[in-house]
Amino acid sequence: QLQLQESGPGLVKPSETLSLTCTVSGVSFSSNISYWGWIRQPPGKGLEWIGSISYSGNTYYNPSLRSRVTISVDTSKNQFSLKLSSVTAADTAVYYCARGEMVLWFNVWGKGTTVTVSS
Amino acid sequence: EMVLTQSPGTLSLSPGERATLSCRASQRVSSSYLAWYQQKPGQAPRLLIYGASSRATGIPDRFSGSGSGTDFTLTISRLEPEDFAVYYCQQYGSSPGTFGQGTKVEIK
Repeated sequence: QLQLQESGPGLVKPSETLSLTCTVSGVSFSSNISYWGWIRQPPGKGLEWIGSISYSGNTYYNPSLRSRVTISVDTSKNQFSLKLSSVTAADTAVYYCARGEMVLWFNVWGKGTTVTVSS
Repeated sequence: EMVLTQSPGTLSLSPGERATLSCRASQRVSSSYLAWYQQKPGQAPRLLIYGASSRATGIPDRFSGSGSGTDFTLTISRLEPEDFAVYYCQQYGSSPGTFGQGTKVEIK
């Protein structure tokens, strides 16, 4: 059964880079029908798509975040990662990794990890 | 960027009642690429409906989706206690994929 698990620091200082990793288990990470994405949810608010990556490494980013986001994949470790630079308090959120059969649509989600931006 | 507007913001109903949730898009949703998710407190969203009307794996048939173009509906035919949650629609036909602001279904 496919499972995703986010990991990374829960506290990041303003202006620094947020780095998260999603570990995938239960499925071949290199499946060519899978896209791997990051979505976030600020406290008490709705959901925002951050970006996605295909098994082959093609990336797709939300234009509102594109200048600060990098998503990469490590197929040898069954992992994909998110880096968000120059963070501010507005980047405080629960960050979810997810899997989908299309770039922007997600049918399996991780449990999420809370990241707080504060000095 | 496509804006999705969900209504009502909160729906107060009793178990056994029918719930009707609306999602209106600011532009036509390409190929009916519209999904519905359920989220409970402290949990990740769970996919309910994709392609506007197809139920995801394991989703009970009391959940149904309909609509096309700019107007979409999620219907829960008879509310079970576990259905009280927040529901989000999402369009995934054009980038960036955008979500509605959510409808909370609460116990009356």
